[in-house]
Amino acid sequence: GQNIDQPTEMTATEGAIVQINCTYQTSGFNGLFWYQQHAGEAPTFLSYNVLDGLEEKGRFSSFLSRSKGYSYLLLKELQMKDSASYLCAVMDSNYQLIWGAGTKLIIKP
Amino acid sequence: GAVVSQHPSWVICKSGTSVKIECRSLDFQATTMFWYRQFPKQSLMLMATSNEGSKATYEQGVEKDKFLINHASLTLSTLTVTSAHPEDSSFYICSAVHQVDEIGGYTFGSGTRLTVV
Repeated sequence: GQNIDQPTEMTATEGAIVQINCTYQTSGFNGLFWYQQHAGEAPTFLSYNVLDGLEEKGRFSSFLSRSKGYSYLLLKELQMKDSASYLCAVMDSNYQLIWGAGTKLIIKP
Repeated sequence: GAVVSQHPSWVICKSGTSVKIECRSLDFQATTMFWYRQFPKQSLMLMATSNEGSKATYEQGVEKDKFLINHASLTLSTLTVTSAHPEDSSFYICSAVHQVDEIGGYTFGSGTRLTVV
């Protein structure tokens, strides 16, 4: 079966760095997405990785290793507004999105 | 855990016809479901909020007569694209709320790829 795993909840301190991991087992691979979702809002696209390596975009970076079925989202200089759910999703060989359950990130002062 | 099933996974239809997409919550009751549209490598665009037993609330710019939403039960919401045109070709995704007012209280369907020819 297809499976995406990510931690249920993480807590970090304002100004610090946090890494959210995502491991996947899917039927084929056509890219991995990271989204941020605040309660009551639509998910916001953060990144898309289809090749191995690190993609940096401001305070957020995303890494992919296809051979390991592994990705992480790195958030630097954490701000209180970064408290949200972070969703990992993989597009399989049929171009369907397989979603992780999301990681609830709590930022403390 | 909370599971949302979305069907069909993909559909090809002729211009002018209608297509129905179903979104089911399999192991929980969802009084609220959301319908999104996704363009490549972009954020999900919220189309409408579907509440069980009442009319859906559409986002600005979304034609309610074209995208018909029905949420007749606590486990099923449907989106019907009426008189589809090639510009309606997109990836449609639903989500259901299983924890109200909670970060992470949403579960997403796998999406429906609609191609209008």
